[in-house]
Amino acid sequence: AQSVTQLDSHVSVSEGTPVLLRCNYSSSYSPSLFWYVQHPNKGLQLLLKYTSAATLVKGINGFEAEFKKSETSFHLTKPSAHMSDAAEYFCVVSAQYSSASKIIFGSGTRLSIRP
Amino acid sequence: GAGVSQSPSNKVTEKGKDVELRCDPISGHTALYWYRQSLGQGLEFLIYFQGNSAPDKSGLPSDRFSAERTGGSVSTLTIQRTQQEDSAVYLCASSHGSGSPTDTQYFGPGTRLTVL
Repeated sequence: AQSVTQLDSHVSVSEGTPVLLRCNYSSSYSPSLFWYVQHPNKGLQLLLKYTSAATLVKGINGFEAEFKKSETSFHLTKPSAHMSDAAEYFCVVSAQYSSASKIIFGSGTRLSIRP
Repeated sequence: GAGVSQSPSNKVTEKGKDVELRCDPISGHTALYWYRQSLGQGLEFLIYFQGNSAPDKSGLPSDRFSAERTGGSVSTLTIQRTQQEDSAVYLCASSHGSGSPTDTQYFGPGTRLTVL
């Protein structure tokens, strides 16, 4: 079985300060992990993904995430928040079961940016 | 190139009516997914098509929900006898791969369904 937990439903930071969005997963198989972003009234967009290569993954818009197997975590970070980062962020785990992938979305973290 | 498109963007219907939601995936993408996003919730997997294989329907919440994918391209999600709890945003995604866990999904803008 697999699952994904986003520990914070809402995170608020000031513009220019670091962002940390937490994600923990469980999987019986070697998982692939993704972060997607959803801006208001827009579709989901891939930020970055981990697929068993480098454990530190860099994505778009200055975001990165580190896969830590020992902690079963895949937290999303950005050194300096920008107003345009305000959005909903989803952590996703995917693993192969027989002939079909199982994809589980976290419940999402809403990121607010204070001026 | 064109992304995933969905129609209609908004649908308001009365309880008990049937609705059809359409998804046009990115050309050449063999995999197609439907999800449901209720207010304040994450995405709930509904159904997955991969090429000509039998679809994975394990996420469909009831037998009122069904989906088809014609010619390996366009997909239609049908909800029969709609209920108020069906109100949500229905998202479609497609991917290029063969259903690998590493595949990136490309999402459409969604259809917002409101059942009165």
